[in-house]
Amino acid sequence: QQQVKQSPQSLIVQKGGISIINCAYENTAFDYFPWYQQFPGKGPALLIAIRPDVSEKKEGRFTISFNKSAKQFSLHIMDSQPGDSATYFCAASNTGANNLFFGTGTRLTVIP
Amino acid sequence: DAGITQSPRHKVTETGTPVTLRCHQTENHRYMYWYRQDPGHGLRLIHYSYGVKDTDKGEVSDGYSVSRSKTEDFLLTLESATSSQTSVYFCAISESRTYEQYFGPGTRLTVT
Repeated sequence: QQQVKQSPQSLIVQKGGISIINCAYENTAFDYFPWYQQFPGKGPALLIAIRPDVSEKKEGRFTISFNKSAKQFSLHIMDSQPGDSATYFCAASNTGANNLFFGTGTRLTVIP
Repeated sequence: DAGITQSPRHKVTETGTPVTLRCHQTENHRYMYWYRQDPGHGLRLIHYSYGVKDTDKGEVSDGYSVSRSKTEDFLLTLESATSSQTSVYFCAISESRTYEQYFGPGTRLTVT
């Protein structure tokens, strides 16, 4: 059973556009929600993370929006660039656990 | 890749043979993890370690064992490889249970 559901599976965005990737979870004990970026042949790299005490976190062109009541969180990439083309994974975990539960990934392609 | 190396980077082996993958870190982090990455599943935790000689199972631990005799090394062993264990294996480390996990470059394992 997938603990974190991610959509869409793939996404094509024009350069300069906004990329939006969504994730949903059921376990209300989750209290840590990171996003990872992965380029082909590389390991996932931590991009940005949020805890449920805030509804939004922004780092440069990347923003996480968090909706605790809906049990959803999303990644927004503003002014998307071809260099952002990668696979993005959301994940979730809870205090006391060592397991990060990952979504199935979104392959983002930014076309010039 | 945050001072993490994995060896080998690629391996092809036959069904029924034992295989050991190595993860080496230079960050002196306490926690180390082994994940497998498969299409449609994201990353799933196999085993993790919270100190030398201290290990525990993840969500997909069947058919795998681990050992950690030194802080810097975490070994993953497939006692008798099966075709279902064909995957990309990632090692990750974290300094504490604050969840920031950093991933190595991965090992692509093919079991024929």
